[in-house]
Amino acid sequence: NAGVTQTPKFQVLKTGQSMTLQCAQDMNHNSMYWYRQDPGMGLRLIYYSASEGTTDKGEVPNGYNVSRLNKREFSLRLESAAPSQTSVYFCASSDGGGGGPTDTQYFGPGTRLTVL
Amino acid sequence: GQSLEQPSEVTAVEGAIVQINCTYQTSGFYGLSWYQQHDGGAPTFLSYNALDGLEETGRFSSFLSRSDSYGYLLLQELQMKDSASYFCAVHILTGGGNKLTFGTGTQLKVEL
Repeated sequence: NAGVTQTPKFQVLKTGQSMTLQCAQDMNHNSMYWYRQDPGMGLRLIYYSASEGTTDKGEVPNGYNVSRLNKREFSLRLESAAPSQTSVYFCASSDGGGGGPTDTQYFGPGTRLTVL
Repeated sequence: GQSLEQPSEVTAVEGAIVQINCTYQTSGFYGLSWYQQHDGGAPTFLSYNALDGLEETGRFSSFLSRSDSYGYLLLQELQMKDSASYFCAVHILTGGGNKLTFGTGTQLKVEL
């Protein structure tokens, strides 16, 4: 099992460009998440999908959109990139069974995004 | 909203014991987890507490007091490879599902 995979690993964009970060998991998990991590800020939730067909905003959703394409895949789109979106983006998944250890989140390796 | 507080940095020597504290304020709380992250890597799960008390997993233990909104991670027999950032995270029940809110992390430096 590959676990959670993310593409690309690195990306440089110019201000105003758009791009989609891809995430896939092969653990048959119900829930998927997108975080960003900035120095000294910990992990902040951008969007999450509790189950296939649903998405909800997290703490910092502005400037992003998401698509839960199917149970395996959850993509994050930046429509018009800004320098403030320079960050490391992590995708995660969990069984989301309603509480307890089943909510352990498994993280992908991250995408390092720089917006110039 | 939610808030979590943990120390930004802790330094200890190899072989020692270190405790990383976490206090939280949140609604919808149902558990506290700890994650480890090495530089440049992805966070990985260490421990989970839903009830008051101590959970032990090898050299790592985690404690929760729900009445005090407080928890800690205890690392024993420290090794150089334990140098990493450690995040506490509260599990929150929402109408849209379950989610985690992470603290800002504690950087642990293990010295010889």
